[in-house]
Formats: sequence, structure tokens, C-alpha cells
Amino acid sequence: GNSVTQMEGPVTLSEEAFLTINCTYTATGYPSLFWYVQYPGEGLQLLLKATKADDKGSNKGFEATYRKETTSFHLEKGSVQVSDSAVYFCALRGPDQKLVFGQGTRLTINP
Amino acid sequence: GAVVSQHPSRVICKSGTSVKIECRSLDFQATTMFWYRQFPKQSLMLMATSNEGSKATYEQGVEKDKFLINHASLTLSTLTVTSAHPEDSSFYICSAREGVNEQFFGPGTRLTVL
Repeated sequence: GNSVTQMEGPVTLSEEAFLTINCTYTATGYPSLFWYVQYPGEGLQLLLKATKADDKGSNKGFEATYRKETTSFHLEKGSVQVSDSAVYFCALRGPDQKLVFGQGTRLTINP
Repeated sequence: GAVVSQHPSRVICKSGTSVKIECRSLDFQATTMFWYRQFPKQSLMLMATSNEGSKATYEQGVEKDKFLINHASLTLSTLTVTSAHPEDSSFYICSAREGVNEQFFGPGTRLTVL
């Protein structure tokens, strides 16, 4: 079945550092790929998405590129801020329209 | 984006009692609602999918008599954990979608069964 594996956390960085959170997937066919973010006390929010190979999703300075050859969708940001502290989930959605999530990565940014 | 609310945010109950969790879409019509369960440091696991006015479709391994789902209107779905036991303690998250639009998530309900 479909599955998502993402980088184990927690991840702690200093403000303005470069961020990478790795995500790889296993799926039949051509899934859509997503990154969700969960701030403390809030529900998951869609951060960015990509629906086909080589698409790049971007939002709020975050980027991720759908790499079919490596089945990856790594999340990157060039300069993180304290306000980026949250839990990040990589996810895919297959033809059945069901979201399959990775285990989440807790990110803490120190000033 | 659209807002999905859950109530209560936290609940503590005694073993053997039933607990109801409400999920509401506040500014859109939720034709489809999803219920997830999340264990500490683990992923969200889909429990069931429900379409308004229809019976819920449960994922493999989820007991439908244990986790009763009602999606009676386009803005409300409820999850009732019947005869709860300590192993049912978890974080329950609902999500809602209108048609094939983006899926929006509630803030979750932490259930603790003593």
C-alpha cells in the first residue's frame, strides 16, 4: 500500500538557518504530494502541494519538488524564523482520495 | 482558509463510559468528513470516511461498533467512542472537505480513559 516516511525529529535550528526535512514515499500510480504544518493548539494546515512529477510547491518561503525518480518530496527553507516552529507532516493522496501521512517532524527554531 | 472546529478539545472519562466528539465545518459544506487517530510521535491514521447522509466507511481494523460515526448534516459529524477503555486514549482529529476541494482539519480532541 501507499506509505510516507519522513525525517525523524525533533529538529532544532537557530534563526536564519537553512532547513531540510526529508520525505520519501511509496505509492502505486502517480499520487499528489503535500506538506502540512501544525502550529501549537491548532489543526493541520496545508503548507504546499505538488500534483505531478517535477512540480515545485512553494509557500511562505518553503519549497518542495516532486521527484518521481527518487520518490521524494523534501521540504526546504533558506532562512527559518522562530515563527516556523511547528510540527510538519508530509502526505500523499492516491486515486482513492485518501491522505496518507508521515509521522511528523517537530521543528523548533531558537532566536 | 476554511475553519473546522472540534469539541471538546480535551476529555477525561472513566473506563466503560461513552464519549462523543463533535466536528463542525464553520463556513463551508462538508460533503465528506474524515476521522483520524494519532498516537504520540506517530502518524495520523485514518479511521473512517463519511459522506453526508450515508453510513461511514471504516478502514480495516477499525471497529465500527466501537467508534460510531454520524454525519447527519453538511456541517456536523460526531464520533462516539463506546465503552471506552484505556487503550482508546489517543488524539482524535477530524477533517472536512467540500466536493474535491482542499481538506481542512480540526484542532483535535485528546481523549484520556482512566
